[in-house]
Amino acid sequence: GQNIDQPTEMTATEGAIVQINCTYQTSGFNGLFWYQQHAGEAPTFLSYNVLDGLEEKGRFSSFLSRSKGYSYLLLKELQMKDSASYLCAVRDSNYQLIWGAGTKLIIKP
Amino acid sequence: IAGITQAPTSQILAAGRRMTLRCTQDMRHNAMYWYRQDLGLGLRLIHYSNTAGTTGKGEVPDGYSVSRANTDDFPLTLASAVPSQTSVYFCASSDERDSNYNEQFFGPGTRLTVL
Repeated sequence: GQNIDQPTEMTATEGAIVQINCTYQTSGFNGLFWYQQHAGEAPTFLSYNVLDGLEEKGRFSSFLSRSKGYSYLLLKELQMKDSASYLCAVRDSNYQLIWGAGTKLIIKP
Repeated sequence: IAGITQAPTSQILAAGRRMTLRCTQDMRHNAMYWYRQDLGLGLRLIHYSNTAGTTGKGEVPDGYSVSRANTDDFPLTLASAVPSQTSVYFCASSDERDSNYNEQFFGPGTRLTVL
């Protein structure tokens, strides 16, 4: 079966750095996405990786290792507004997205 | 309209009733999707459409139907609602016509309660 694993919840301090991990087992791989979802709102796109390595976009970076079936999202200089759920999704061989359950990130002052 | 809209925002429905959730996008995206989101679970694909006139089944299609008469609209119908269909429903769209990363854009969601 297809599976995406991420921690259920993480806590970090304002101004710090946090890394959210995602491991996956899917039938085929055509890219990995990270989305942010604030409580009661829709998911919004953060990043995309299809090749191994690090993609940096401002305070957010995402890393992919296809051989290990592993990705992480790195958030730097945390702000209170970063409190949200972070969703990892893999596009499989049918070009459909398989979603993890999401990691709820709590930022403390 | 800017992006994707969904209606209604929320609905309480008696079991056995028929209900249509509406979704409209103005980005001329060819692909559209319906997901449900339940606590502790990832988004699960119900149905999708790669282009107007075609639809396909996702991971959890039972009890739901869709149509795609034109590019902009993608309604989801529950023929006879059951309590297990209580969920938050998200409609999404993407432009799959090029080879780029094809991010999905989401509507604001419909919170449905079936009693």
